[in-house]
Amino acid sequence: DAKTTQPTSMDCAEGRAANLPCNHSTISGNEYVYWYRQIHSQGPQYIIHGLKNNETNEMASLIITEDRKSSTLILPHATLRDTAVYYCIVRVGSQGNLIFGKGTKLSVKP
Amino acid sequence: GAVVSQHPSWVICKSGTSVKIECRSLDFQATTMFWYRQFPKQSLMLMATSNEGSKATYEQGVEKDKFLINHASLTLSTLTVTSAHPEDSSFYICSASHEGDQPQHFGDGTRLSIL
Repeated sequence: DAKTTQPTSMDCAEGRAANLPCNHSTISGNEYVYWYRQIHSQGPQYIIHGLKNNETNEMASLIITEDRKSSTLILPHATLRDTAVYYCIVRVGSQGNLIFGKGTKLSVKP
Repeated sequence: GAVVSQHPSWVICKSGTSVKIECRSLDFQATTMFWYRQFPKQSLMLMATSNEGSKATYEQGVEKDKFLINHASLTLSTLTVTSAHPEDSSFYICSASHEGDQPQHFGDGTRLSIL
């Protein structure tokens, strides 16, 4: 599976949009981009995933560049409860294990 | 949505005892379940992959005789830490996936402390 690069940490003001970038320059054509987050002392929570097209659900939006070498997770109106470590993972399909990197620690501040 | 339940949430026991952790998929059938371990301030590390009705596949460096995994049904996998020692203290997390193009869903983890 391709490797991803994320900033170590980011801050965001409560109520503002949080834009979390991820680089995956070696992604293969059949690899999906997955986003999970882990709130302290809990298991990871699935957020969203995509292959080529931008995706949106009730939690977030995923913007994937046309060359698929990078993506951005957008939390449109961040709240204090969105403070967590966010992991960007690329993987073939839905089967097989997820390889977690260090992720981005997002701190939402009042 | 897909729910994965893990039990117990935390356990404290004496060195040398064995501890069993259960992972259940509550509203879907999971052909594959995964077990991860997470040490403080580190990321999740995959320990093993289990498929229903077959032997688990362990990652390099994970002792299969120490970490026994059973996946006897499509909704239940168990991890038994045998003869646990203080260095086995960690946060153990399971995940499960459907067949097809569905993401993995995680349990809330089990915090294991060996005294």
